[in-house]
Amino acid sequence: EAAVTQSPRNKVTVTGGNVTLSCRQTNSHNYMYWYRQDTGHGLRLIHYSYGAGNLQIGDVPDGYKATRTTQEDFFLLLELASPSQTSLYFCASSARVGEQYFGPGTRLTVL
Amino acid sequence: GDSVTQKQGQVTLSEDDFLFINCTYSTTTYPTLFWYVQYPGQGPQLLLKVTTANNKGISRGFEATYDKGTTSFHLQKASVQESDSAVYFCALGDSGYNKLTFGKGTVLLVSP
Repeated sequence: EAAVTQSPRNKVTVTGGNVTLSCRQTNSHNYMYWYRQDTGHGLRLIHYSYGAGNLQIGDVPDGYKATRTTQEDFFLLLELASPSQTSLYFCASSARVGEQYFGPGTRLTVL
Repeated sequence: GDSVTQKQGQVTLSEDDFLFINCTYSTTTYPTLFWYVQYPGQGPQLLLKVTTANNKGISRGFEATYDKGTTSFHLQKASVQESDSAVYFCALGDSGYNKLTFGKGTVLLVSP
């Protein structure tokens, strides 16, 4: 049974639209992460969290907000989506340094 | 800050060929190095972890080593199979913040 799930799996929105990507983990891990994956850039860290109510800034945070409501749930918010945010988004969880468990990804298209 | 360079964008091999992928890293702390693999349509998954120079990580026929002197780390496999076709990422761990810095990834294509 999948331990990190993401929804939706695909999303299309228009420029200026609001988007919320959801992630849930059942690993009982403290750490959760949001990445974006783009050709030529690999995986880039947007935001991460080490527990409910905590948020840490990643390497490419501009245009993104995130919120960790419980140990299981981590959300990524795009309040004014732009075409440059068209990407494949992954959520991951971790209990130990470097050993991260990824979800299946959400493909977001901003028209 | 930490950085990882993975220059090989794509590697094309035939079955039973030898695989070698190289990354270089820069960090001010003691490095913990990882290799992740991403199969088509899936999220990345941990393949190997290497924590000590000259020690090897071994998993599923893959072997990872690192060289502290040249600040480089390598992934190799003696004989690849078509099922090994995937994207391979090297990554550098930051123990202070429990996060990873990933390389850009190497697409491995293996033809039968």
